[in-house]
Amino acid sequence: NAGVMQNPRHLVRRRGQEARLRCSPMKGHSHVYWYRQLPEEGLKFMVYLQKENIIDESGMPKERFSAEFPKEGPSILRIQQVVRGDSAAYFCASSPLGLAGVTTDTQYFGPGTRLTVL
Amino acid sequence: TQLLEQSPQFLSIQEGENLTVYCNSSSVFSSLQWYRQEPGEGPVLLVTVVTGGEVKKLKRLTFQFGDARKDSSLHITAAQPGDTGLYLCAGTPIGAGGTSYGKLTFGQGTILTVHP
Repeated sequence: NAGVMQNPRHLVRRRGQEARLRCSPMKGHSHVYWYRQLPEEGLKFMVYLQKENIIDESGMPKERFSAEFPKEGPSILRIQQVVRGDSAAYFCASSPLGLAGVTTDTQYFGPGTRLTVL
Repeated sequence: TQLLEQSPQFLSIQEGENLTVYCNSSSVFSSLQWYRQEPGEGPVLLVTVVTGGEVKKLKRLTFQFGDARKDSSLHITAAQPGDTGLYLCAGTPIGAGGTSYGKLTFGQGTILTVHP
């Protein structure tokens, strides 16, 4: 986990509030990924971003969820109007740019943000 | 349907025993990673296997990638209580359009408990 930073580590929100989760990739990594781990379920891919671009958002719920990775600053996963079903651990991972511009498969994970919706 | 099937789901053994965890799929993967996750923490990368038939060793852990790149195994020799944790395999399948990099697919995980 060394290098990928996520904050906050724990986040409590009431139904209807917004949740903002932050991720700073490892130094030198230009690709960021978000995954969700629901209780009793495995890790599921949500979105893949490069700086200022969303590459693959096929795992993102169609409503209330958005992600960005601006030119400067951390990647943000934003959940609007949270519901109890959004309670989960959200993990960010990063990877370096591989040879010839091809992304390597190896991803390094952060410690996660545990979101609890009351 | 789970793209990556891990087995067993639970494993409870005594210190000093050997064990093997399997990760199987009907799809071909460009590579497979093995992670270990402790409660309340993120997955920690153990190894990446890339070449079919590849074997990698990490102290008492031996990882193998199947010849056809559809399966992998993790073997632990002389398990210790410190090996206790959730072991996850993950990879990116090669589809009809080529490899879709970035979208890691995870197995369900194997919860290993090593008793002193």
